[in-house]
Order: sequence, then C-alpha cells, then structure tokens
Amino acid sequence: QKEVEQNSGPLSVPEGAIASLNCTYSDRVSQSFFWYRQYSGKSPELIMSIYSNGDKEDGRFTAQLNKASQYVSLLIRDSQPSDSATYLCAVNRGYSTLTFGKGTMLLVSP
Amino acid sequence: KAGVTQTPRYLIKTRGQQVTLSCSPISGHRSVSWYQQTPGQGLQFLFEYFSETQRNKGNFPGRFSGRQFSNSRSEMNVSTLELGDSALYLCASSFRGRTGGTGELFFGEGSRLTVL
Repeated sequence: QKEVEQNSGPLSVPEGAIASLNCTYSDRVSQSFFWYRQYSGKSPELIMSIYSNGDKEDGRFTAQLNKASQYVSLLIRDSQPSDSATYLCAVNRGYSTLTFGKGTMLLVSP
Repeated sequence: KAGVTQTPRYLIKTRGQQVTLSCSPISGHRSVSWYQQTPGQGLQFLFEYFSETQRNKGNFPGRFSGRQFSNSRSEMNVSTLELGDSALYLCASSFRGRTGGTGELFFGEGSRLTVL
C-alpha cells in the first residue's frame, strides 16, 4: 500500500463550483498534513496545513482531517481558472520530511 | 526576503558523470531538504539537513549524497549518473527544526537534470 494516495485526475469542474480533492494515508502515527499546489512548470507551494481532526478554513480553501479514517481532503469553493494546477497531499514523516502523494490535477473551466 | 535559490537551473550530463547541485535557503531557515520529482514517481524525499547534520534520508542509493554548510547552504551530489536520474531536483527550506520539524516547506525553482 502506498503511503499517501491521491486520485490522479484530472478533476474537471466549472468556474464557480466546489472542487473536492481527497487523500488517504497509511501511517497511523502521522500528525501533520499539508496541501501543496503546483502549477505546470513551477515548484510546489504550501496552501494549507492541518494538524487536528476537523475542518480548517482559509479563504476559499477548507482542509478536512479524519485521523480515524486516515483521510484528508481539500475543498476549494468558488473555483477559478487560476486554481487549475496539481494539488499535492503530504504527510509529515518527522522533522521537516514529507511524504507526498502523486497529486491530483484540477482543471477549472471558464 | 529572498526565496530559496537553486543553481544551476538546467544541466545536461552523460551517463557515468557526476553532478553537484546547490541550494541557498531562505535567510533564517536552518532546515534544508531535497526532493526528486519525476512524472512517474512524483515527489520523493532524498534527505534533510539541520545544522550541518543529516537527520533523515530517503530510499535512494548511495550515489546520492548531500551536505549542509555552517551558513545553512546545502549541496547534493549524484555520482555515476544513470539515465533514470533525469529529474527535477527540488530543494526546500523550513524555519523550525531543532526540537521537531515542520512540513511547512518553501521550495526553490529546482534544478532540472537531463542525463543522456
């Protein structure tokens, strides 16, 4: 079983819709979870971090964590074409080391 | 505040050669980590350094090595290059690190290595 799994997509949503991105992880002791966004040809950038069960909101982004189910999700409300990118789920392995999923490509059509 | 700087941005090598990549972290960041990104495998962790000490190492062969200097700058080296080493090598820095760690990484633009 892969450590961090994501649907590769692409996930296509119309502009203004809610995009829902999902991620599962295998290591039950993981405590810190992150979502990075990577535009084509660019490096990843951190958009959300979540450490406790429940929801964490930041602007149009909401991260959700369920440690019992080993599940992390990212909701993007009012999706914009500029949100089109690959979204990487990451789990902290200790210190500043992350295990990344392979990412989900999101396409937002005008 | 300047971001993470990686050099060179692009390089082409042939099989059997070696390569050294350099990374300057954000000022004040003492943790530096390296990742390899390929279309097939995604982002894979190579190693992480804090205060010149390697704290974590990924599952890569011994041909991959790294070091960190007292000013937190880091280098990674790949010896005896193979075709499969062609990838984007990303360096990331983070602020905290001594007593634990943070996954809040700031990535450089990467060094794209092509092995012919």
